[in-house]
Order: sequence, then C-alpha cells, then structure tokens
Amino acid sequence: GQNIDQPTEMTATEGAIVQINCTYQTSGFNGLFWYQQHAGEAPTFLSYNVLDGLEEKGRFSSFLSRSKGYSYLLLKELQMKDSASYLCAVVDSNYQLIWGAGTKLIIKP
Amino acid sequence: GAVVSQHPSWVICKSGTSVKIECRSLDFQATTMFWYRQFPKQSLMLMATSNEGSKATYEQGVEKDKFLINHASLTLSTLTVTSAHPEDSSFYICSARDSFHEQYFGPGTRLTVT
Repeated sequence: GQNIDQPTEMTATEGAIVQINCTYQTSGFNGLFWYQQHAGEAPTFLSYNVLDGLEEKGRFSSFLSRSKGYSYLLLKELQMKDSASYLCAVVDSNYQLIWGAGTKLIIKP
Repeated sequence: GAVVSQHPSWVICKSGTSVKIECRSLDFQATTMFWYRQFPKQSLMLMATSNEGSKATYEQGVEKDKFLINHASLTLSTLTVTSAHPEDSSFYICSARDSFHEQYFGPGTRLTVT
C-alpha cells in the first residue's frame, strides 16, 4: 500500500527553527509537495521537490532524499502566523497526489 | 500564478435539497480536477478525480449517485451534493492540475446542511 507519515503535532517557540519530517512509501515517485493550511482555509502551496537536495525559499526550505523516501520542511525565524497544519503530499506513478495526514504546528510566544 | 476559484464560498441549505459547487481554473486549462472534503481538524480526503469529457473516478466509499461530478470543459468542474443531509456538512475543496502536473487549490466551499 501507499503510505505517508508525518508527526501529528509539533510545538515551537516564536523566532526559533522547526523541522517537520515526512517519510513515504508509494508506487512510483514524481515529486513531493509541501502545503500550508490554516484552519478553515484551503491548502496553499509551499514547495515542490523532485530531485534530491535542499530547496530554499525565504524562511522556508524543503529537503528531499529519494533513496530514503524522506523529506523535511524547515521553517526559520518562526512567526505566530506560521501556526497552521503542514501537509506533505507525494505524486505517485499515476501522477496522483498521495496525502499525509498533516502536522499541526503550534507556535508559542 | 495559476488561480482556481470556487463558488459559492459558503452555503447553507435545508436537508433534502441539492447544492451545486463550481470549480474554475481561471488562467490555465485543467484536464484533471480533484474534489476533496475535509472535516474539522482532519486531513483532506479525496472524493473523486474528474477528467474533462469523461466520467469521474470515485474513491472507495464515496457515493457517485449522491455526489454528482460534471467536468464539461477544461476550465470548469461542478460537484452537486444531491439530497443533502446534515452529515454532508463539510468543507469541500477542489484542485486543478495543469500540464506540468502541479495542483492548485480552490479556496474551498463550506457547506452546512440544516
């Protein structure tokens, strides 16, 4: 079967750094997305990785290791507005998105 | 960037009535659109995959006669919730996939059935 694992909830302090991990086992791989979702809103795109390595975009970075079936999202200089759920999703061999259950990130002052 | 719109943003209807939700890709053509529902504090659940000009593919456990999907053009897909009941109250989100296989989400439609 296909499986995406990410922690259910994480807590971090404003101004700090947090890393959200995602491991996957899927039938084929055509890329991995990270989305941010605030309560009551639709997900918004954060990053897309298809090659191994680190992609940096402002305060957010995303890393991928295809051989390990592993990705992480790194958030720096945390702000209160970063409190949200972070969803990991993998594109399988049929170009379908397989979703993780999401990680709820709580930022404390 | 690519934009996907949904209409209406929120709707309240009485039990037994039908509700239609539209999903439009505004600046790109989407051969494939996806419909999700999301209950409070839960992850997205894929309901169906809709390809332009063909019948939608429904996920296991989703009643195709209750959730009617029409993808009549490359920029429009509709979801009709027929004979809605209170348990159908949820957040319905569509997404559209472009030619580079990236998915863009609509803002969602909050349905409340009384």
